[in-house]
Amino acid sequence: GQNIDQPTEMTATEGAIVQINCTYQTSGFNGLFWYQQHAGEAPTFLSYNVLDGLEEKGRFSSFLSRSKGYSYLLLKELQMKDSASYLCAVRDRGSTLGRLYFGRGTQLTVWP
Amino acid sequence: EAEVAQSPRYKITEKSQAVAFWCDPISGHATLYWYRQILGQGPELLVQFQDESVVDDSQLPKDRFSAERLKGVDSTLKIQPAELGDSAMYLCASSVTSGIADIQYFGAGTRLSVL
Repeated sequence: GQNIDQPTEMTATEGAIVQINCTYQTSGFNGLFWYQQHAGEAPTFLSYNVLDGLEEKGRFSSFLSRSKGYSYLLLKELQMKDSASYLCAVRDRGSTLGRLYFGRGTQLTVWP
Repeated sequence: EAEVAQSPRYKITEKSQAVAFWCDPISGHATLYWYRQILGQGPELLVQFQDESVVDDSQLPKDRFSAERLKGVDSTLKIQPAELGDSAMYLCASSVTSGIADIQYFGAGTRLSVL
């Protein structure tokens, strides 16, 4: 099966940079996604990595190392509205096409 | 911007009652997913449809849960009878297809409380 691990909680201050790590184990890696989820709301897509390296999208960047089974989400210039849960999800080539396996999520709190 | 529609947003029921949730995916999206998310955990797939066909229901408790997508558009998830442990957020998501780069877009969810 899939084993996705990410920290349960993180805190940071407004304007700072925070890095949320995710490690995974799959039988056949086929892509990694990051989603943001505010309390009581639906997850919203942030980024997608399938090849090694950094994908940048405004204040958010995501990095992938397939050989290490490791990804991180980097959030720059933190704002209060970035307080949310950040979900790491992977696709496994051995599973139903399209199926995502989610981690438990990292609850980020941004303080003023 | 197109959205995945879900109703109701909240549902409170007593155990042993039947409940049903509805989802209307983004127009043109062939793949539809139902997830269950327990508080403090990530979403877990219950069932995946490709058009009107079920392609993965391995995690669906079939003794009490059922799902259908009769015309390959909107979908209904039913629980009968509901149990206390079914209290959770039920999320619907859709994607254009099930390709490796296809993004899943989520609806706002139905929060179920079983008393």
